[in-house]
Amino acid sequence: DAGVIQSPRHEVTEMGQEVTLRCKPISGHDYLFWYRQTMMRGLELLIYFNNNVPIDDSGMPEDRFSAKMPNASFSTLKIQPSEPRDSAVYFCASSLSGGKETQYFGPGTRLLVL
Amino acid sequence: EDKVVQSPLSLVVHEGDTVTLNCSYEVTNFRSLLWYKQEKKAPTFLFMLTSSGIEKKSGRLSSILDKKELSSILNITATQTGDSAIYLCAVDGGTSYGKLTFGQGTILTVHP
Repeated sequence: DAGVIQSPRHEVTEMGQEVTLRCKPISGHDYLFWYRQTMMRGLELLIYFNNNVPIDDSGMPEDRFSAKMPNASFSTLKIQPSEPRDSAVYFCASSLSGGKETQYFGPGTRLLVL
Repeated sequence: EDKVVQSPLSLVVHEGDTVTLNCSYEVTNFRSLLWYKQEKKAPTFLFMLTSSGIEKKSGRLSSILDKKELSSILNITATQTGDSAIYLCAVDGGTSYGKLTFGQGTILTVHP
């Protein structure tokens, strides 16, 4: 299995630009999670989906962030407009049957907003 | 609000030492506690502890769950430089099934 795939691996953009991060979960996994990791705040859950449906988006910082999962093999996290404080590593993770199985993390997207 | 606290925040040891990392939690409805190791990339899974499996061991690493004290420890014996990493504790215990709350992590540095 290829594991969780994320793209791009690195993104540098200017403040105000739109950023789209992409994730392909492990085939057959029915849960997908988006996390953000910074030195100050550690690893924070932004949103997660079950069977393509958003379950909990309480971690999404503000309306500039949105996430979609149009099908079982693809999800996007969009930031519009981006700000320097959005600079972080964004991880996507997937799991089977939610809490019964551990989450497997993708390699992350390192985002820098200038 | 669910809360997971790890200690110490950082630790520096020499090869061969034994280390103990701590994790305490306050959650609504405990289901499981997980330990992850993060080197330069993504967190990788180490152990999952539940009410029916409170002790796990793999090589030099072992972990115990104390449900009474709402805590867990991760032990690493005979540390090696390859053990240098951030160790993350996470708990599945909120109102949303499958949602993990992570601690801030312990940065372990093992010197030769």
